[in-house]
Amino acid sequence: SQTIHQWPATLVQPVGSPLSLECTVEGTSNPNLYWYRQAAGRGLQLLFYSVGIGQISSEVPQNLSASRPQDRQFILSSKKLLLSDSGFYLCAWSTSYEQYFGPGTRLTVT
Amino acid sequence: AQTVTQSQPEMSVQEAETVTLSCTYDTSESDYYLFWYKQPPSRQMILVIRQEAYKQQNATENRFSVNFQKAAKSFSLKISDSQLGDAAMYFCAYRRNNDMRFGAGTRLTVKP
Repeated sequence: SQTIHQWPATLVQPVGSPLSLECTVEGTSNPNLYWYRQAAGRGLQLLFYSVGIGQISSEVPQNLSASRPQDRQFILSSKKLLLSDSGFYLCAWSTSYEQYFGPGTRLTVT
Repeated sequence: AQTVTQSQPEMSVQEAETVTLSCTYDTSESDYYLFWYKQPPSRQMILVIRQEAYKQQNATENRFSVNFQKAAKSFSLKISDSQLGDAAMYFCAYRRNNDMRFGAGTRLTVKP
C-alpha cells in the first residue's frame, strides 16, 4: 500500500531563516505530488504540483519554491522566511481521482 | 477560476441523528471530480467520499452520502447516524486535472 511521509512534524523558525520541508511517497511510481498550505481556520491553498522529476508548476507567486529531485521526493524550500509563511503545510500524492495527504508540518515563523 | 463555497462555518448534530453539510462550486467545465475530506484534530486529511461529474448517481460510502446537483453546481454531504468520531472539519473540494480547489470548511460538532 502507498504511504506518504512528511518531516519535520513541527518547526519553529525565525524570520529570515531558510526552510526545507521534505515529503516522500512509498508504494507507488511516478506519482503526481502537491504542496498545500493551510492557514489557521482556513481551507487548503495549492502552492505547487509536480508531474515528474524536475517538473514543478507554481500556483501562487510567493516566497517559497519547490523541487523534485527524485521520483518520490518533493521538497518545499525558502531562502528567507516571512512571518506570513506560518501555517500548516501538507504534501499530497494523487491517483487519477483522489489525492492522499501526508500528516503535515506545522510551521511557526517567529 | 474555479471556486468552492461552504456557507456553513459551523454545524452541530446530536449523536445518532442526521446532518447535511452544504457546498457549491463554480466551474465552466463539464468533466471534473468532487470530494469531501474530513480533518480531525490531528489535522490529517482523510478522504470521505468522491463523486465523478459524469455520473448521475449519487455516491455513497456507508453512513456518508452526497446529493450532487450538477446543473445547480451543488454538492452536499449527508452524514447519517452521526457518531462522536465524526466531529471534525469537513472540506469540500473540486478537482480537474491538477487543479484542486478547497472550500473554507465546516466545523462539525457532535453532541452526545
